[in-house]
Amino acid sequence: QSALTQPASVSGSPGQSITISCTGTSSDVGGYNYVSWYQQHPGKAPKLMIYDVSNRPSGVSNRFSGSKSGNTASLTISGLQAEDEADYYCSSYTSSSTDVFGTGTKVTVL
Amino acid sequence: QVQLQESGPGLVKPSETLSLTCTVSGGSISSYYWSWIRQPAGKGLEWIGRIYTSGSTNYNPSLKSRVTMSVDTSKNQFSLKLSSVTAADTAVYYCARVGEAYDYWGQGTLVTVSS
Repeated sequence: QSALTQPASVSGSPGQSITISCTGTSSDVGGYNYVSWYQQHPGKAPKLMIYDVSNRPSGVSNRFSGSKSGNTASLTISGLQAEDEADYYCSSYTSSSTDVFGTGTKVTVL
Repeated sequence: QVQLQESGPGLVKPSETLSLTCTVSGGSISSYYWSWIRQPAGKGLEWIGRIYTSGSTNYNPSLKSRVTMSVDTSKNQFSLKLSSVTAADTAVYYCARVGEAYDYWGQGTLVTVSS
């Protein structure tokens, strides 16, 4: 199975909004509403930020939001803060009953 | 609060079998799927597979021939075995609960494959 495609890096200034894309196929992202997003700081385990395309777990800031259109899912971070600087990964369920992660995106706060 | 802790050898010789255990505390292992995910240094996350508490499994097709997962509900543990390892299997290995997606993660354990 091929990894979902994410941009290698995205940057923005404090207070701005940024969007990270996650492109798959009709056999994964496009076929199921089981897309999730994870934030990973250096040396730490990933943290769930969004599940089932657009749902936020308890405790996650409402500055994080998710959406999907066709085979591409997106994570938007609004009101960008220094603490948002991290790596972000998407994940999707697939038609083979497996999961697949995205290639990862490094977010830089300028 | 659910907590997961990986344990196992940090160094494995090439061609041997990597064995890791994940111990779940603060909640029951029953009625959930549990997964293993790995991350080579400086690289992205790779899904290895998942196991339900009934023992039902799904594996990454690229690793399927070498992976075996098992669960011990009496000990609140689940395990990973990866056979015939090479240097390419060197990575931080995470265990995770499949609740609302991967909602709880272990801290990760570095496994190095080297003679």
